[in-house]
Amino acid sequence: EVQLVESGGDLVQPGGSLRLSCAASGLTVSPYWMAWVRQAPGKGLEWVATVNQDGSATYYVDSVKGRFTISRNGAKNSLYLQMNSLRVEDTAVYYCARQNYPFDHWGQGTLVTVSS
Amino acid sequence: DIVMTQSPDSLTVSLGERATINCKSSQSVLSSSNNKNSLSWYQQKPGQPPKLLVYWASTRESGVPDRFSGSGSGTDFTLTISSLQAEDVAVYYCQQYDSPPYTFGQGTKLEIK
Repeated sequence: EVQLVESGGDLVQPGGSLRLSCAASGLTVSPYWMAWVRQAPGKGLEWVATVNQDGSATYYVDSVKGRFTISRNGAKNSLYLQMNSLRVEDTAVYYCARQNYPFDHWGQGTLVTVSS
Repeated sequence: DIVMTQSPDSLTVSLGERATINCKSSQSVLSSSNNKNSLSWYQQKPGQPPKLLVYWASTRESGVPDRFSGSGSGTDFTLTISSLQAEDVAVYYCQQYDSPPYTFGQGTKLEIK
């Protein structure tokens, strides 16, 4: 079965850091771009970041530039999101997705809560 | 940035009737590389991740029922559910994947009358 499984979500104080992981199984992701998309409680979808196949190119929404870093490990079939200087407004469920032009496979998401 | 605007924000339709959701982009999402519209539609049910329904504006994803169809080009797009079923209750999002930031519409909540 094709699966993307996120982990690493937690409760963190403003200004803190967190690293999210996304592991792929039954699905090869190395030939594809990969992305993180988030959804604040009761709100819509917001694209956060994308990385190309070999990690040489990354793209970010303006609100996370300089704070978040997307990366991948081809050998481990995994995707990561390092989140620093977290803000209350970063509170959301974070989904990883395979970006095959559209986002054709999604994980179940991991909840990040930023609160004091 | 390309702004995606959906209408309506919410929609109530009777079982078996047609549901139509519109999506307008602030600029063309026509890809210069393949002359296709880089527009996708997703369905999200409560507590679940989004599910891809349609891409390249009108190509149905494998396994998606044929009552779902996408149309449009340039800046105006439509998702149509030809005969609403109970399991179609969800929030629907359009998205452009032509260039970053890969923006989503605000979502349309579809309910049964």
